[in-house]
Amino acid sequence: DTGVSQNPRHKITKRGQNVTFRCDPISEHNRLYWYRQTLGQGPEFLTYFQNEAQLEKSRLLSDRFSAERPKGSFSTLEIQRTEQGDSAMYLCASSFREGSFTGELFFGEGSRLTVL
Amino acid sequence: AQSVTQLGSHVSVSEGALVLLRCNYSSSVPPYLFWYVQYPNQGLQLLLKYTSAATLVKGINGFEAEFKKSETSFHLTKPSAHMSDAAEYFCAVLSGSARQLTFGSGTQLTVLP
Repeated sequence: DTGVSQNPRHKITKRGQNVTFRCDPISEHNRLYWYRQTLGQGPEFLTYFQNEAQLEKSRLLSDRFSAERPKGSFSTLEIQRTEQGDSAMYLCASSFREGSFTGELFFGEGSRLTVL
Repeated sequence: AQSVTQLGSHVSVSEGALVLLRCNYSSSVPPYLFWYVQYPNQGLQLLLKYTSAATLVKGINGFEAEFKKSETSFHLTKPSAHMSDAAEYFCAVLSGSARQLTFGSGTQLTVLP
């Protein structure tokens, strides 16, 4: 399977715990995005990387959220001191930018977080 | 800032009937517009995209959308609904310095037998 892979698919945690999600993009893609989706809403942009550089992170929801893409391949999204309001589906998407970027993103199946 | 609004969070049609899902955009520049579909327990899949070429865009699974600048609309249509079309549909616009997609709130399509 050469699609975008996300792990774990489901995570249940207690409030105050830290959680980390991993995303493996399509191998030749140089752009990687994180989105959050809550029930009844469309995906909400959080951050993105071009190769290993995090070029936009102002939309991360709070300083408890952080993301890395250390070698320009896989990425991790960490949420520290989780709160019940963090319960959502976290989506990863990747794309390849060449020339004029027309925006097609390829999405993974998401990681669902439940904070008790 | 570019944004999209989807009218109708739930749409029900009978199998074989016309599907019409509405999307209006707000943009100060010529927009790039997209429709994505999300089936249960699956990732979002691109249905079609408008990138300032032909105003009538054909996508997968028999869907198409027409860009109407005068109406700031990009509605999604399919002449004859199939049971397998039941899913959530999202309209999106390319926006921001990150060239990210900004999504609407989605429309859940139910197809009745």
